[in-house]
Amino acid sequence: KNQVEQSPQSLIILEGKNCTLQCNYTVSPFSNLRWYKQDTGRGPVSLTIMTFSENTKSNGRYTATLDADTKQSSLHITASQLSDSASYICVVSAGTNAGKSTFGDGTTLTVKP
Amino acid sequence: DVKVTQSSRYLVKRTGEKVFLECVQDMDHENMFWYRQDPGLGLRLIYFSYDVKMKEKGDIPEGYSVSREKKERFSLILESASTNQTSMYLCASSGTGKLKQFFGPGTRLTVL
Repeated sequence: KNQVEQSPQSLIILEGKNCTLQCNYTVSPFSNLRWYKQDTGRGPVSLTIMTFSENTKSNGRYTATLDADTKQSSLHITASQLSDSASYICVVSAGTNAGKSTFGDGTTLTVKP
Repeated sequence: DVKVTQSSRYLVKRTGEKVFLECVQDMDHENMFWYRQDPGLGLRLIYFSYDVKMKEKGDIPEGYSVSREKKERFSLILESASTNQTSMYLCASSGTGKLKQFFGPGTRLTVL
């Protein structure tokens, strides 16, 4: 069964600090891995998309890494801001079917002043 | 700016009622999706559509149906709402061959 596990479940950091969120998956055959940010009460917004051949992708202060051998990804947030407080969701897709995606439960990040 | 809109942000219905959730996108996307999001379970795909009048079941289609009569509009139908369908419902769209999905704001449905 395809699975995506994210850790930690929740995280509290001080403004200005860095943090790293983890995503482990067992999805096969692997097609792509996406990270989304979801603010409370809103739909997810895409941060990064990585295919098999990519091992890092940046979007401003967000940097995602992918290790396809160990089936792990991380999302690193640099110099956190209060607006980074949100849920971060890892999504892994299998094959080329648009509907075959497995979503992680998300990591809830709280940035405090 | 790309936009996916959903007909309601909050909805309260009674058990047994027929419920329609509407989703509209203005990006001329071929693919549209309906998910539900529950604490501890992440987002789960209910149905998706890759073209007008075309649909495929997702992971949890039981108790739901969909309609896609026009490219920009994808409707989710609960034929007879039940309390276990209380959830956040999210619609998304993407272009053919495109990995990036655009999500709507969600509809929080409560079935009493």
